[in-house]
Amino acid sequence: GQNIDQPTEMTATEGAIVQINCTYQTSGFNGLFWYQQHAGEAPTFLSYNVLDGLEEKGRFSSFLSRSKGYSYLLLKELQMKDSASYLCAVTSGGSYIPTFGRGTSLIVHP
Amino acid sequence: EPEVTQTPSHQVTQMGQEVILHCVPISNHLYFYWYRQILGQKVEFLVSFYNNEISEKSEIFDDQFSVERPDGSNFTLKIRSTKLEDSAMYFCASSAGTGTKSGNTIYFGEGSWLTVV
Repeated sequence: GQNIDQPTEMTATEGAIVQINCTYQTSGFNGLFWYQQHAGEAPTFLSYNVLDGLEEKGRFSSFLSRSKGYSYLLLKELQMKDSASYLCAVTSGGSYIPTFGRGTSLIVHP
Repeated sequence: EPEVTQTPSHQVTQMGQEVILHCVPISNHLYFYWYRQILGQKVEFLVSFYNNEISEKSEIFDDQFSVERPDGSNFTLKIRSTKLEDSAMYFCASSAGTGTKSGNTIYFGEGSWLTVV
């Protein structure tokens, strides 16, 4: 099976930078997704890492270390609308179907 | 931008009734999925569908559930004899499935809220 661990909740200030960590334990790792989910809405795709390193996409960056079973999502220049849950999801083995962690609820305050 | 569409957005049903949730995946996608999310809990995989058959399913997807692609665009989830614990948001999703990084990316619909009373 897979074990995915993320902090339950984080708070940050508007305009600041926040890093949301995700650790995982799985065999036959394929890739790691980050999704954003506002309350009552669908998960929205943010990033998909399959190789080690940092991938930047605007204000959001995602990092992966396969040897450490570790990823983080970095959000810069935080805005109030970034308040949401951030879901880490892993694919492994012969399957490309992501298994989701419990998500990290990010609260951005003024 | 293409998107996955789902209907209804919200359905209330009596316990024991059958429910069908509808989805129109992104048009050129080949893989279709159903996930569910019980309020306050994580997103859970139910089933994936490719080439007109189930390709993977989770332990949650028991005989109470079935999926169908009745025509070239729709993808449905049927829940027979609903139970109180079936109350959840049901997300349909799709992916291109080209074996590339972008092809493996799964895009979700807005969800159908099912409330069983």
